[in-house]
Amino acid sequence: GQNIDQPTEMTATEGAIVQINCTYQTSGFNGLFWYQQHAGEAPTFLSYNVLDGLEEKGRFSSFLSRSKGYSYLLLKELQMKDSASYLCAVRDVLTGGGNKLTFGTGTQLKVEL
Amino acid sequence: DAGVIQSPRHEVTEMGQEVTLRCKPISGHNSLFWYRQTMMRGLELLIYFNNNVPIDDSGMPEDRFSAKMPNASFSTLKIQPSEPRDSAVYFCASSLTDSGSYTFGSGTRLTVV
Repeated sequence: GQNIDQPTEMTATEGAIVQINCTYQTSGFNGLFWYQQHAGEAPTFLSYNVLDGLEEKGRFSSFLSRSKGYSYLLLKELQMKDSASYLCAVRDVLTGGGNKLTFGTGTQLKVEL
Repeated sequence: DAGVIQSPRHEVTEMGQEVTLRCKPISGHNSLFWYRQTMMRGLELLIYFNNNVPIDDSGMPEDRFSAKMPNASFSTLKIQPSEPRDSAVYFCASSLTDSGSYTFGSGTRLTVV
């Protein structure tokens, strides 16, 4: 099975930088994903890491260390609209074919003035 | 593309009644997932189809839950009989099998009273 841990809540200031950490334990690892979910809406894909290192995508970056079972999502130049839940998800290869994503419980980020 | 389409958006039903949730994946996507989201447990994978075939249904809570995918453009999740603890938001998502990202539907908010 999988065990995915991330902080429940974080608060940051508009314009600042925030780092959301995620640790995981899994077998058949085939990628680490970050999703954003605004209240009352569906999750939307943000970023994806399968190899170690940093992936940058505009204001958002994601880092992965497979040996440590660790990832983080870095949000720069925070805006009020970034207030949302950020979900860490691990993809596993299935013996029956294909892959599946298992999600953490999410980190609720509140951006304040 | 209209994205992943789920119906109904909201469903209120009495305990013991049958509930059927519907999903139309994105055309060309060959993987389909049903997730359930609650405050307590977050996003939980219920079942995963690849090329219309159920690959992993280990997340289906009990025999009251069943899912079908009769063709590449339609899937249903049925709960019979429904219970108050089934109240949650049910999301359908689709992707290409080896893709890094899932596209989620808007979800069905189910309330069982």
